[in-house]
Amino acid sequence: DIQMTQSPSSLSASVGDRVTITCRASQDIRNDLGWYQQKPGKAPKRLISTASRLQSWVPSRFSGSGSGTEFTLTISSLQTEDIATYYCQQHNSYPQTFGGGTKVEI
Amino acid sequence: EVQLVESGGDLVQPGGSLRLSCVASGFTFGEYWMTWVRQAPGKGLEWVANINQTGSETHYADSVKGRFTVSRDNAKNSLFLQMHSLRDEDTAMYYCATGSAGGGTWGQGTLVSVSS
Repeated sequence: DIQMTQSPSSLSASVGDRVTITCRASQDIRNDLGWYQQKPGKAPKRLISTASRLQSWVPSRFSGSGSGTEFTLTISSLQTEDIATYYCQQHNSYPQTFGGGTKVEI
Repeated sequence: EVQLVESGGDLVQPGGSLRLSCVASGFTFGEYWMTWVRQAPGKGLEWVANINQTGSETHYADSVKGRFTVSRDNAKNSLFLQMHSLRDEDTAMYYCATGSAGGGTWGQGTLVSVSS
């Protein structure tokens, strides 16, 4: 199975800060990676598909990059509404696997 | 409006069985892969299973293979997860989602608790 390792597991930042979350895959997954945002008590929502493609509802301050085994999710200017836990997920091969999550706090 | 509504979650004893349902509305259900994802209390997301449009192809997480079965009834816009031999570690909120990786719409979840 492909292991997805996210770092950090949590972070605290200020409004306006640039925030970067890293996800590493245990083997090459090309760009078959999505990023999800989950707010407390809510179902997750996908932010980014194929490593860098923003979903239509996502503000432009979010971006994704990477391919192969290393990926990043960046929030260029953190806003209060971005407080959430973020997960990466690989869908390159079965079983699909999620990273452990990164809790973003202000 | 695209909507998914899960049901069937309950408190069940270890070794028991449960069948979860997910009813879809607002889109052509039979055109989409569907996925189940779960989340244990206070923990991260775990992909559980998915199924293709016709039900001819299914995939499972190692942790549930042989115990869980995903199926669908396109005439009733419904997705199912039959769970047998339930264990304490199956306790979780279970979500259904559209897409082979769950990248589309998600339901609100249904809670399964396995405890004696």
